[in-house]
Amino acid sequence: QKEVEQNSGPLSVPEGAIASLNCTYSDRVSQSFFWYRQYSGKSPELIMSIYSNGDKEDGRFTAQLNKASQYVSLLIRDSQPSDSATYLCAFRTGANNLFFGTGTRLTVIP
Amino acid sequence: DTEVTQTPKHLVMGMTNKKSLKCEQHMGHRAMYWYKQKAKKPPELMFVYSYEKLSINESVPSRFSPECPNSSLLNLHLHALQPEDSALYLCASSQDRAGGRFTDTQYFGPGTRLTVL
Repeated sequence: QKEVEQNSGPLSVPEGAIASLNCTYSDRVSQSFFWYRQYSGKSPELIMSIYSNGDKEDGRFTAQLNKASQYVSLLIRDSQPSDSATYLCAFRTGANNLFFGTGTRLTVIP
Repeated sequence: DTEVTQTPKHLVMGMTNKKSLKCEQHMGHRAMYWYKQKAKKPPELMFVYSYEKLSINESVPSRFSPECPNSSLLNLHLHALQPEDSALYLCASSQDRAGGRFTDTQYFGPGTRLTVL
């Protein structure tokens, strides 16, 4: 049974702060990890992908992966009200399956 | 261009109706997916087509019937649905490069909001 757990929300941060989203997974053979953002009523939109241990930065977003701890996180720096959405972490094994976490609802307060 | 299109945007159908959802991508991707998403839940995988062949069927009821006419198109035929099938149906695609590269990224279409009365 493949499971993905995300830190329970909702998460509220003030504008300009750092938002930290966390995710743990149970499948040790997972090889690729993704963060998707989903606005209410819309489809998931890819934010970051990460495959190797360590940090990966893209603009205001930093993904961190620790395969030994089976842990992946997403940091959003200088949070903006437009970042308010549900963030879904997902992992993929060797097949085409993508397993999603339950999502964390983020609200950035102006 | 990472666009996946889906039609219709919204669909309301009765339990005796037959309808189809359509998905299209022109990115040369060879894997296409159907997901179902209920409110406040994550997407759940239904079907995967790889190189136009059904590779994964996640024990979906037979009232959902997928079809992949060619590498750019994916359909989901609906028949005798139940009210609990009301959900957002998402199509996605990925490159599915030969050699089993696990770094494939799935790109989602905007979804079809289905309501079964």
